Amino acid sequence: ETGVTQTPRHLVMGMTNKKSLKCEQHLGHNAMYWYKQSAKKPLELMFVYSLEERVENNSVPSRFSPECPNSSHLFLHLHTLQPEDSALYLCASSQDPQGISNYGYTFGSGTRLTVV
Amino acid sequence: GQQVMQIPQYQHVQEGEDFTTYCNSSTTLSNIQWYKQRPGGHPVFLIQLVKSGEVKKQKRLTFQFGEAKKNSSLHITATQTTDVGTYFCAGFQKLVFGTGTRLLVSP
Repeated sequence: ETGVTQTPRHLVMGMTNKKSLKCEQHLGHNAMYWYKQSAKKPLELMFVYSLEERVENNSVPSRFSPECPNSSHLFLHLHTLQPEDSALYLCASSQDPQGISNYGYTFGSGTRLTVV
Repeated sequence: GQQVMQIPQYQHVQEGEDFTTYCNSSTTLSNIQWYKQRPGGHPVFLIQLVKSGEVKKQKRLTFQFGEAKKNSSLHITATQTTDVGTYFCAGFQKLVFGTGTRLLVSP
């Protein structure tokens, strides 16, 4: 375990479904992030939360909706997704909201999402 | 916008050979981080470089930050099968991950 726990590990959903991804960090970090990792593409930053406030939204479609109820938990609510949204969704946390620390980002194991 | 490119995209070496991946940014970076992702795994932080021209070593891994703070390299001496994975650099001003270099090591 990395200190960042993501559930579920795998998710298959239809295009009309609504589902949520969950992330929990046990490291006392102040910032949490959602990343999307598709085949043959760089890691794409989706959302950044610093001290529970959203500080960045990288032009992500509205069918992805983040929620950060406290500094330890982060959710990604999904609805009416498209097949091209199939990817590995990674949650990360860092002590410094800028991520500039000698410990970097701590990533969770990810949720492998398949949209059918 | 800021872009971080890595070369090569893929390299297959024989165990014992050396390996180098290069990271190039279109803009000057405040710092750079390196991550390793094993097949089927998640990125794991390796190191951060902050100073111009900085060199850091971790056992067989040597990390360098360019003088202009626009490029970086990771060199692995005498690769082992445990080195298999994809190596990413991540550059700041605004954190942008590189495209990654996938390393395959044959015994």
